[in-house]
Amino acid sequence: SQQGEEDPQALSIQEGENATMNCSYKTSINNLQWYRQNSGRGLVHLILIRSNEREKHSGRLRVTLDTSKKSSSLLITASRAADTASYFCATETSGTYKYIFGTGTRLKVLA
Amino acid sequence: SQTIHQWPATLVQPVGSPLSLECTVEGTSNPNLYWYRQAAGRGLQLLFYSVGIGQISSEVPQNLSASRPQDRQFILSSKKLLLSDSGFYLCAWSVDRGPQPQHFGDGTRLSIL
Repeated sequence: SQQGEEDPQALSIQEGENATMNCSYKTSINNLQWYRQNSGRGLVHLILIRSNEREKHSGRLRVTLDTSKKSSSLLITASRAADTASYFCATETSGTYKYIFGTGTRLKVLA
Repeated sequence: SQTIHQWPATLVQPVGSPLSLECTVEGTSNPNLYWYRQAAGRGLQLLFYSVGIGQISSEVPQNLSASRPQDRQFILSSKKLLLSDSGFYLCAWSVDRGPQPQHFGDGTRLSIL
């Protein structure tokens, strides 16, 4: 079964606005990652946050992790039309090499 | 630099036919390798992963199998395809130590008729 569940399932915003996506998971994790997928393509890694980290930044991306609530959020600031894609969280359960992906958030940024 | 190749990009097969999808990685050694399936508009389902030659872990019981005959080659097979096997198949690799990102191929879109 899927470990992660993203919320919302779909999000439509205007260019320049911020986009926030949330991910919840069920078991203890080693790390949590966010990926982006353009339609019909493979996934591209965006950012990795370890279980002992609370926040991480990369360019216009900000990721937070709350292990007590088993949740993470991805914030994209000053969104662009090119950010239109599906975004997935993935968790690696402690002690395994398995990555379990969430159901994804479809983001549409309107120009 | 490391690259991952996955082929074919598109495949149309009749029900009951065999399947072989191949994935190869270049520029790294002893990678962890993964096969995922993605239904239309859905998340990724982990099918198989491998941490070394001949070491395959299956996540979902089904009529698919995987093999790793060489360090950087991962093959997804079926003897008889079902309609439910349709989907987007993705291969990925990661470094074999520590928390690491996964790197994905461009996928194979499989349609079963």
